[in-house]
Amino acid sequence: IQMTQSPSSLSASVGDKVTITCRASQSIRSYLNWYQQKPEKAPQLLIYGASSLQRGVPSRFSGSGSGTDFSLTISSLQPEDFATYYCQQSFSNPRTFGQGTKLEIK
Amino acid sequence: EVQLVESGGALVQPGGSLRLSCSASGFIFSSYAMHWVRQPPGKGLEHISGITSNGGTTYYADSVKGRFTISRDNSKNTVHLQMSSLRTEDTAVYYCVKDWRWELSATFDYWGQGTLVTVSS
Repeated sequence: IQMTQSPSSLSASVGDKVTITCRASQSIRSYLNWYQQKPEKAPQLLIYGASSLQRGVPSRFSGSGSGTDFSLTISSLQPEDFATYYCQQSFSNPRTFGQGTKLEIK
Repeated sequence: EVQLVESGGALVQPGGSLRLSCSASGFIFSSYAMHWVRQPPGKGLEHISGITSNGGTTYYADSVKGRFTISRDNSKNTVHLQMSSLRTEDTAVYYCVKDWRWELSATFDYWGQGTLVTVSS
């Protein structure tokens, strides 16, 4: 299953609302996870099951979607949110990641 | 606090072998599946291998099947990745990753800091 994220990169300002989308090449029901990766650091789980917030993740992060189309929304960007975001399907092997969306400061 | 600490990364020649280890703490290791995910420099993430909590079932991506072997020792809270016939395209940071379930659900809730494997002559 191929996972396609858009955009590949995004410039935004602190306080902005941003949305990243992820499309699966076939239905993955709600088996979609989102990860955040900061430079030189390991990824961290943000959202699982398309819309459930991982413990400890700020509520400004939210996820939605099912089937083939998904989105990650950050309601009000904070300085620590500038990072690369990956979607990942956990529906079937091989469990594939999107190519990543780099969120940069405008 | 969950901690995953990888070791064993190194510079190795093409065709060589390497064994990565991951030491886990802060959770009941024998209750959770474990995985390895890799990331080539400047590129994206690839799930390459996983093992269920009791070691009974393993998974390998096609890119490493027949060359890599995952194993675990629940008495020592460790998971290993034995890599052989290494290729230049295996160059990557290798992350040890915890599954949130005993089975290979591939929802990765905790990650190690990674260990760099460089395959070059």
